Amino acid sequence: NAGVTQTPKFRILKIGQSMTLQCTQDMNHNYMYWYRQDPGMGLKLIYYSVGAGITDKGEVPNGYNVSRSTTEDFPLRLELAAPSQTSVYFCASEGRGNNSPLHFGNGTRLTVT
Amino acid sequence: GENVEQHPSTLSVQEGDSAVIKCTYSDSASNYFPWYKQELGKRPQLIIDIRSNVGEKKDQRIAVTLNKTAKHFSLHITETQPEDSAVYFCAAMAGGFKTIFGAGTRLFVKA
Repeated sequence: NAGVTQTPKFRILKIGQSMTLQCTQDMNHNYMYWYRQDPGMGLKLIYYSVGAGITDKGEVPNGYNVSRSTTEDFPLRLELAAPSQTSVYFCASEGRGNNSPLHFGNGTRLTVT
Repeated sequence: GENVEQHPSTLSVQEGDSAVIKCTYSDSASNYFPWYKQELGKRPQLIIDIRSNVGEKKDQRIAVTLNKTAKHFSLHITETQPEDSAVYFCAAMAGGFKTIFGAGTRLFVKA
């Protein structure tokens, strides 16, 4: 199993540009999450999904959108990039939905200038 | 919603000493408390977890304690080694699927 795979690893955007951060998992996990981690800071929940077709907002959803058309994929969309969105983005999944640990991808480092 | 506070933000210890990181949570419904270690430039990885029906759990040099009444839980690392240097995050999960993280503790182990 590859686990949770994120692409790209790095990206530089100009203000106002759009992009999609890809996340896919091969563990057949129902629960998937997007977190952002600002430099030297903790992890903030952006969006989460409890299964295909179901998504919900986390702590910091503004400026982002997600979709969950399949169990495997959970892309994160930035429509109008702003410098405040400069961060490292982690996708994670969790299988049991009953108090089990998160499996993280390797992250996407995004810089908006 | 759940809020998790973590202290200290930075901790420096001598190799071989113990390190203790403390967290508090706000939602009494939280019932799962994982700890993650994040090395520089890497993803967070689970090192130990505890569920609300247990007061203490140990795995070699790492132990976690939970006080549900006070809504406190702590990570204890004994006989610290330079490879323990990293950022440690506590977290709480309420409702079975949403994990909220503390702000992290940067641990330095001096050789």
